Amino acid sequence: ETGVTQTPRHLVMGMTNKKSLKCEQHLGHNAMYWYKQSAKKPLELMFVYNFKEQTENNSVPSRFSPECPNSSHLFLHLHTLQPEDSALYLCASSQVGYGYTFGSGTRLTVV
Amino acid sequence: AQSVTQLDSQVPVFEEAPVELRCNYSSSVSVYLFWYVQYPNQGLQLLLKYLSGSTLVESINGFEAEFNKSQTSFHLRKPSVHISDTAEYFCAVTDANAGGTSYGKLTFGQGTILTVHP
Repeated sequence: ETGVTQTPRHLVMGMTNKKSLKCEQHLGHNAMYWYKQSAKKPLELMFVYNFKEQTENNSVPSRFSPECPNSSHLFLHLHTLQPEDSALYLCASSQVGYGYTFGSGTRLTVV
Repeated sequence: AQSVTQLDSQVPVFEEAPVELRCNYSSSVSVYLFWYVQYPNQGLQLLLKYLSGSTLVESINGFEAEFNKSQTSFHLRKPSVHISDTAEYFCAVTDANAGGTSYGKLTFGQGTILTVHP
């Protein structure tokens, strides 16, 4: 256990479904991140939240909708996804200068 | 803007052999540097980091990395690898004076898959 918990670990959803990924940290970190990791591709930063405020959105399609209700929780709401959205979605948290602490990820399969 | 280049996408080695995973970075500002390891079906785990001080940093499981500012490199080494070291390794960099919207944000390399054969 790293201190960053992601649920669920695995998710299979149809293209018309709506689902949410959850990330929780109690490390006292002020920044939280969503990354997408696809096979044979580098890690893609999706969203950054600092002190609950979204500070970065890397041209992510609107079918991905993040939510950060407090500094300990981060959600990624999913709707009308495409098969190419199948990937490992990683959440991380950080304090500046200390690097990230990652969760174990959610393996998403869109069918 | 910063970038990280991991020069080898795959490195196969035999057990007990030495290994070096190469990482070069580009940045116009001072940096902090990190190596992460990812085992199959898991998230990334911090292996070691350089923030300041000694340019040689070590992990608890025998890996070490040396920050070379003149060559803008942070290569990862281990003198004798084990089967259990088989994993994907990521080099990452962040602005050492981060603030505001770049608060600790890491830029990752593309990863190097280390495969240790018996």
